[in-house]
Parts: sequence; structure tokens; C-alpha cells
Amino acid sequence: GAVVSQHPSWVICKSGTSVKIECRSLDFQATTMFWYRQFPKQSLMLMATSNEGSKATYEQGVEKDKFLINHASLTLSTLTVTSAHPEDSSFYICSANRGGTGGYEQYFGPGTRLTVT
Amino acid sequence: SQQGEEDPQALSIQEGENATMNCSYKTSINNLQWYRQNSGRGLVHLILIRSNEREKHSGRLRVTLDTSKKSSSLLITASRAADTASYFCATQAGTALIFGKGTTLSVSS
Repeated sequence: GAVVSQHPSWVICKSGTSVKIECRSLDFQATTMFWYRQFPKQSLMLMATSNEGSKATYEQGVEKDKFLINHASLTLSTLTVTSAHPEDSSFYICSANRGGTGGYEQYFGPGTRLTVT
Repeated sequence: SQQGEEDPQALSIQEGENATMNCSYKTSINNLQWYRQNSGRGLVHLILIRSNEREKHSGRLRVTLDTSKKSSSLLITASRAADTASYFCATQAGTALIFGKGTTLSVSS
């Protein structure tokens, strides 16, 4: 159990367009979901924390108007990269925290590779 | 934000040898976790060690935690070519995980 999926697994878009990435917990309810960004050969940087039904909490330096996060249900969170630029090209990974486990274990999605041309 | 610093950044060994990676962090934690990531892929959770634990084993993995020094180590014994990957430590104080910079391990046969 505790499977997290992401869709799409990769996407190529043109500069100026918006891209939506979905993160789903398939077999559990996720009270909290997290979005990370990973540039090539670098570590994961936490972008934001989202709780179902409330506004996301963004890390310092992450533009909330550019990276729109919606956590409308206990199994789905979406990240929309608005007006994408080539520097937004990255690997985006979500994770989900299963409710009731005391916050110890997160389950990661397989990631979405975004390339902005 | 990034909390952990892994050492070394890169490690190359032969199959059968042991690999040791270290992680240091800065603030108080509830637990520390180690993950593996194959190139361009998602994360695989390896092991979690709580702040009141000092050592934990899982198969060929041995993790230690020294909260007084704010450091942890991951030992992979009898390494295999399939262990080639990047390894990250991640600390957890609240609900979010903060990742270190990672160690790239290359195991040659």
C-alpha cells in the first residue's frame, strides 16, 4: 500500500504556457502533500506544503503566483507552473503524508520531468 | 531550504566493498531518513532512524545517528553494481522533509 502517482511523467511545453502536474495518493488519504523540485545533479528542494482544503505554505524564494498549488481532495494535489520559462525546466516530485501516522513517513511519487523550450 | 550536508559528494568503489556516506544537519530533528535515487527516477525510502535511536539495520544497510554531533552515517556492506545511485539523507522535525545534497555512489563490477 501507500502508492503515490504523478501525471504526466514528462512534459515539454513552450515558453509562456502553463503546465499542470497531478499528484495522487492511490490507496490512502493524504492529509498533507509536498512538492519538491530537483535540478540536474542536485538535491530535492522543498517548494511547498499543501493541506487538503487550505492554502499551500510556500518555502522562502518560491513564487506562489507562479507555482499554483491546489489540494482539493484527500487524494489529489496539483501543481500548475504558470507562464513557464526555460529556467523552470526541472524534475518535480510530490510526496504524501498518510494521515494519522504522526508525520513520520512520506510516500513519494515517481516525479515529472518538465522541459520548457 | 536545505539542512543536510552529505559527505563525500561522490564515491567510487568496487563490487564487494563497503560504502560509507555521512550526513550532517543543523537543527533538532524528530527523525532522519535515507533515500536512494536512481538517475532520473523517483525516490526509494531506505531506512528511518528516530532521534532516540542510535543505530538501525536493514539488510545490508546500517545507519547510525549521533544527535550530539548532529550527524548520521549510512553503511552499505558488500556493495553490488545495482547499488549505483544517489543517496540522500533527509531530516524531519515537523511534517516536511529537508534533504541533504546527496552522495553519488558508483559501484563497478
